[in-house]
Amino acid sequence: DGGITQSPKYLFRKEGQNVTLSCEQNLNHDAMYWYRQDPGQGLRLIYYSQIVNDFQKGDIAEGYSVSREKKESFPLTVTSAQKNPTAFYLCASRRAPLDNEQFFGPGTRLTVL
Amino acid sequence: AQSVTQPDIHITVSEGASLELRCNYSYGATPYLFWYVQSPGQGLQLLLKYFSGDTLVQGIKGFEAEFKRSQSSFNLRKPSVHWSDAAEYFCAVVGPTGGGNKLTFGTGTQLKVEL
Repeated sequence: DGGITQSPKYLFRKEGQNVTLSCEQNLNHDAMYWYRQDPGQGLRLIYYSQIVNDFQKGDIAEGYSVSREKKESFPLTVTSAQKNPTAFYLCASRRAPLDNEQFFGPGTRLTVL
Repeated sequence: AQSVTQPDIHITVSEGASLELRCNYSYGATPYLFWYVQSPGQGLQLLLKYFSGDTLVQGIKGFEAEFKRSQSSFNLRKPSVHWSDAAEYFCAVVGPTGGGNKLTFGTGTQLKVEL
């Protein structure tokens, strides 16, 4: 089955530690996205990538970093510079350039203690 | 910049009753519009989308939405709600010329279904 996997589902880290969230897709999609979800705020875009080895900042990129070394993978690192990292993180992909529909993974809930 | 407003944070309906969730968007041209549904702790599932053409769009699970340009609205409807429809619903927009086809989401409407 084609789809998007995010691991782990739950992640706990101590304050001040960097943590990397995994996102893998086997849909052969060109574009990938990272969103952050907080209660009552909907989803906000962190980073996106339209092709391998290229990515752009979204609306709330501060304190986050990404890489896109392979088409199927788009890991997100939450750095110690992110002031309030506890949130639900969702990865999505899109079959660019003609298709506007984004497909979402199951999400990772990050809790920083 | 484009924006999406979902004016109802919470809605409660009885099972079998009809449902309408409101969505208003702000965008200069005709946008691409989406409705997604999210169960607790899960990812988002696409219910339906509007790009062009017929303004009444049919989706999965018996949902439909109507695009009204004059009102800048894209309301989601279902004639008879089932208990399994309880979830959070998000309206989203992407501009046809937006860089990266970024989605802008509303803040969501939490639907509760009373048995």
